[in-house]
Amino acid sequence: GAGVSQSPSNKVTEKGKDVELRCDPISGHTALYWYRQSLGQGLEFLIYFQGNSAPDKSGLPSDRFSAERTGGSVSTLTIQRTQQEDSAVYLCASSPRLAGWQYFGPGTRLTVL
Amino acid sequence: RKEVEQDPGPFNVPEGATVAFNCTYSNSASQSFFWYRQDCRKEPKLLMSVYSSGNEDGRFTAQLNRASQYISLLIRDSKLSDSATYLCVVSPGTASKLTFGTGTRLQVTL
Repeated sequence: GAGVSQSPSNKVTEKGKDVELRCDPISGHTALYWYRQSLGQGLEFLIYFQGNSAPDKSGLPSDRFSAERTGGSVSTLTIQRTQQEDSAVYLCASSPRLAGWQYFGPGTRLTVL
Repeated sequence: RKEVEQDPGPFNVPEGATVAFNCTYSNSASQSFFWYRQDCRKEPKLLMSVYSSGNEDGRFTAQLNRASQYISLLIRDSKLSDSATYLCVVSPGTASKLTFGTGTRLQVTL
């Protein structure tokens, strides 16, 4: 496809379980970002990749959150020992290297019971 | 204080009306500015970039005032399809995180 894709689209999990969220950026986009949007809240930055490196991890809320990117393409966001406050829509975005704007994927809606 | 502040609305306007949204940002080092549109339960989509000189795209006009740290969006001849949440977005530069306002909700009615 031409756009950013994310999987799964929905994930329901039990408190304490680990989850992995996947993002496929637009082909050729070197920059990849993760954000989350909680109910009624604005989008909150989590982490930024340029290639496979993460020069800005400042938005990760705790050490239960981690992300990696391989081959300069696909990225995985992992949340360990999920908590109810982790429930949110997790959005991935990508952009060409020198662009300011970002294209967003459809998001993964995570519900922690 | 939030980094990007917007009036949450909702703004309820009839079709054909002109409506204006404003936002303010706190980081004077911000270099890139955007308006994004978000439909209910959908991802944000880039509406337009914002420049100090002002820029127009069809019925939409955006303006940046760096001295006042103020961004505006004007929508002329509103359509039903314009109903959405409009997000004011700033960034310190290219290839940097975006900081979003919480959005202004617009409802255009018949």
